[in-house]
Amino acid sequence: GAGVSQSPRYKVAKRGQDVALRCDPISGHVSLFWYQQALGQGPEFLTYFQNEAQLDKSGLPSDRFFAERPEGSVSTLKIQRTQQEDSAVYLCASSLELGTWAYEQYFGPGTRLTVT
Amino acid sequence: AQKVTQAQTEISVVEKEDVTLDCVYETRDTTYYLFWYKQPPSGELVFLIRRNSFDEQNEISGRYSWNFQKSTSSFNFTITASQVVDSAVYFCALSVTGANNLFFGTGTRLTVIP
Repeated sequence: GAGVSQSPRYKVAKRGQDVALRCDPISGHVSLFWYQQALGQGPEFLTYFQNEAQLDKSGLPSDRFFAERPEGSVSTLKIQRTQQEDSAVYLCASSLELGTWAYEQYFGPGTRLTVT
Repeated sequence: AQKVTQAQTEISVVEKEDVTLDCVYETRDTTYYLFWYKQPPSGELVFLIRRNSFDEQNEISGRYSWNFQKSTSSFNFTITASQVVDSAVYFCALSVTGANNLFFGTGTRLTVIP
């Protein structure tokens, strides 16, 4: 079956531009996560949705970052007024279960954002 | 606080050699899960294994095996008879009760030389 898909795969933005990154989770997966992966580092948590509800946004680095999942399926991560430190790979993951901590997450290929 | 340490940044082995990737974790929770993920050059993290804190049995899956030792807070991963296709970055991760996310280590880049 289809896995998690993300688009675009690569995005180059000039400093100050707004960007929108899309995630299509596995069909039927209740939980959706966004992670940020800097070069040479492990993924770091940004935010978590259970269906359409954003239950945890503790990892969002600033108020320039905003995520939504209005219909409980596709999610968009928006970054306003991008800065060079926002350059990273943004990973989306989904999980079938509600008890997120105990179940494996399935990851998409990521969007590599480069801010120039 | 939760923390995962993968002290080996990069490892190179010759094909058919065995290799062990180390993972040490820190948590005060008594109930937690440990994971290993593989990240090939394509970028997509691929789930390999999940182990809960109450199950210290070692696991073997083909050429892969995992050694979980609570006494040393370690969850090491061994690849037997490595192959070029095993070349990737491997991440160890931790989840704890009530948390919504995985805590990842910094990864170990494995290169298998033909």
